[in-house]
Amino acid sequence: DTEVTQTPKHLVMGMTNKKSLKCEQHMGHRAMYWYKQKAKKPPELMFVYSYEKLSINESVPSRFSPECPNSSLLNLHLHALQPEDSALYLCASSQDGGAGFQPQHFGDGTRLSIL
Amino acid sequence: AQSVTQLDSQVPVFEEAPVELRCNYSSSVSVYLFWYVQYPNQGLQLLLKYLSGSTLVESINGFEAEFNKSQTSFHLRKPSVHISDTAEYFCAVRGGGAQKLVFGQGTRLTINP
Repeated sequence: DTEVTQTPKHLVMGMTNKKSLKCEQHMGHRAMYWYKQKAKKPPELMFVYSYEKLSINESVPSRFSPECPNSSLLNLHLHALQPEDSALYLCASSQDGGAGFQPQHFGDGTRLSIL
Repeated sequence: AQSVTQLDSQVPVFEEAPVELRCNYSSSVSVYLFWYVQYPNQGLQLLLKYLSGSTLVESINGFEAEFNKSQTSFHLRKPSVHISDTAEYFCAVRGGGAQKLVFGQGTRLTINP
């Protein structure tokens, strides 16, 4: 069982919809991450939150909007997505504030399909 | 900046045979190295890590990896594979002080009976 929980597991949405992905961890980790993974490719970093503040945005389009309400919770708000945004979205967390050497722990992801 | 090269995109082996998945990295600073495994329809699971100390690190399911600084490698080995080891394996590197984890392209390990 993973210690990083992501909901929903699957999401199908139209290009005009607004939806949110949710990620929770209760390990006391201080850094949280969003990744996008296309089939047969490695994960691509999207955002990093360190101590609940956005520290890295990898030039992600504004139709993706991250939010970190508290140290255990990370959201990704989606609006007006494109078909090419269909992918597996992975959340991860690490014990350090993101600038150390601790490994990242991943959730099982949300498989997103844009119609 | 760091980079990771996984030399084989696919590795087919027979069950109970040994396997080696190759990983080379480049970095101008000290690094921390990781192997992750991704089973179908799942997220990434940490298999093992090298942070410091002994250059040979082992996982609980029989995998091991050796950090070789002179050859900038961190190859993953298992002496006898099982069908259940079928998965995608990612090598990753994190430079000291860096927030980003840099992944290799992945190696698909396929076990044939």
